[in-house]
Amino acid sequence: GAVVSQHPSWVICKSGTSVKIECRSLDFQATTMFWYRQFPKQSLMLMATSNEGSKATYEQGVEKDKFLINHASLTLSTLTVTSAHPEDSSFYICSATTGSNEKLFFGSGTQLSVL
Amino acid sequence: QQQVKQSPQSLIVQKGGISIINCAYENTAFDYFPWYQQFPGKGPALLIAIRPDVSEKKEGRFTISFNKSAKQFSLHIMDSQPGDSATYFCAAYTGGFKTIFGAGTRLFVKA
Repeated sequence: GAVVSQHPSWVICKSGTSVKIECRSLDFQATTMFWYRQFPKQSLMLMATSNEGSKATYEQGVEKDKFLINHASLTLSTLTVTSAHPEDSSFYICSATTGSNEKLFFGSGTQLSVL
Repeated sequence: QQQVKQSPQSLIVQKGGISIINCAYENTAFDYFPWYQQFPGKGPALLIAIRPDVSEKKEGRFTISFNKSAKQFSLHIMDSQPGDSATYFCAAYTGGFKTIFGAGTRLFVKA
């Protein structure tokens, strides 16, 4: 149980284009989803918290106009990296929780490479 | 005060040995302490977790030891195997706040 599916696993895009990453909870309703960014050999950096039907709450320093988050249903959240640039290249990971936010169920991550 | 300090940064252990990773926290409001395991190119997965009213929790070869007075907790991996080679993150959580992660420990188990 508590499976989170994240797609795509990797994506390569040209600078200036937008990329959408999907995060789905397959066997539970995710009241809250989190989006993280992870640089090589570093810890997870929380970017934003999204609750179904509400605007996402962004962490300090994260550009909300560049990283658009939509949580339209209890099973789907999307992260769109708009006008991507090489410095946006990173490993992006989503996680979801089932009511209590203490247990995090993570997706498999998306490696974004911006050329 | 919201930090979780994790050590060591990397660890090499012989197959069959014991791997020990330590974490320390400051905020006494934390009430849930999970450990996550992450393999390269994958998202983390919950490995084991403990609450501060328990001093030890064991699941298979994995044990968390918790010292509430010292505000420290540690992960012990008994009979470490090459398949345990991964990055381990300790974390801390309290209701209403986000999960705080440690910096991670890269474990390599030599065959």
